[in-house]
Amino acid sequence: GQQVMQIPQYQHVQEGEDFTTYCNSSTTLSNIQWYKQRPGGHPVFLIQLVKSGEVKKQKRLTFQFGEAKKNSSLHITATQTTDVGTYFCAGREGGYNKLIFGAGTRLAVHP
Amino acid sequence: DAGVIQSPRHEVTEMGQEVTLRCKPISGHDYLFWYRQTMMRGLELLIYFNNNVPIDDSGMPEDRFSAKMPNASFSTLKIQPSEPRDSAVYFCASSSPAGGPLNEQFFGPGTRLTVL
Repeated sequence: GQQVMQIPQYQHVQEGEDFTTYCNSSTTLSNIQWYKQRPGGHPVFLIQLVKSGEVKKQKRLTFQFGEAKKNSSLHITATQTTDVGTYFCAGREGGYNKLIFGAGTRLAVHP
Repeated sequence: DAGVIQSPRHEVTEMGQEVTLRCKPISGHDYLFWYRQTMMRGLELLIYFNNNVPIDDSGMPEDRFSAKMPNASFSTLKIQPSEPRDSAVYFCASSSPAGGPLNEQFFGPGTRLTVL
């Protein structure tokens, strides 16, 4: 079945440093979504990528979808303490209507 | 909008007891999802409904788990009998019909279940 791998599992950075998390699927995805979960909270939708090679930006966050639609990345420039949390990618295959979540990358930002 | 509502927020029970988790999706959403989150297994989709009909329950771990959606505004996830390994945070999420399930999923606050 479809698997979505996400690395790294943990990332500790100093405030102001950049951060990247990577997501890889065993199969071609129709689209991919990214969610953020704050400690003790619930996943909150960030963005959806659909097109091959798509790049989207939200302020300091840059999301990319690979040309083959099997990988994706989230890059945060100049991290802030408010960026703390776990970032999940979630992929969807072709005609299937369910999301398969990656294991998430937990980001800690030290002031 | 109040968002997705789940109850209870916390549940502590003893092994063998029946547990019922409740969810009220966002009004107008016609997709409802039940997830389980643990440190070991991450975020797992258990089952999802479309227009109150179960579409995919392949993630339901075993017969002890059952889910229902009697109407568009209410769903339950029941565990009977509960076991310590069922301890987890259970999330309910809903999705709007515009664009179908390709749209974002709105998660509820979750129910933290502890089975002793």
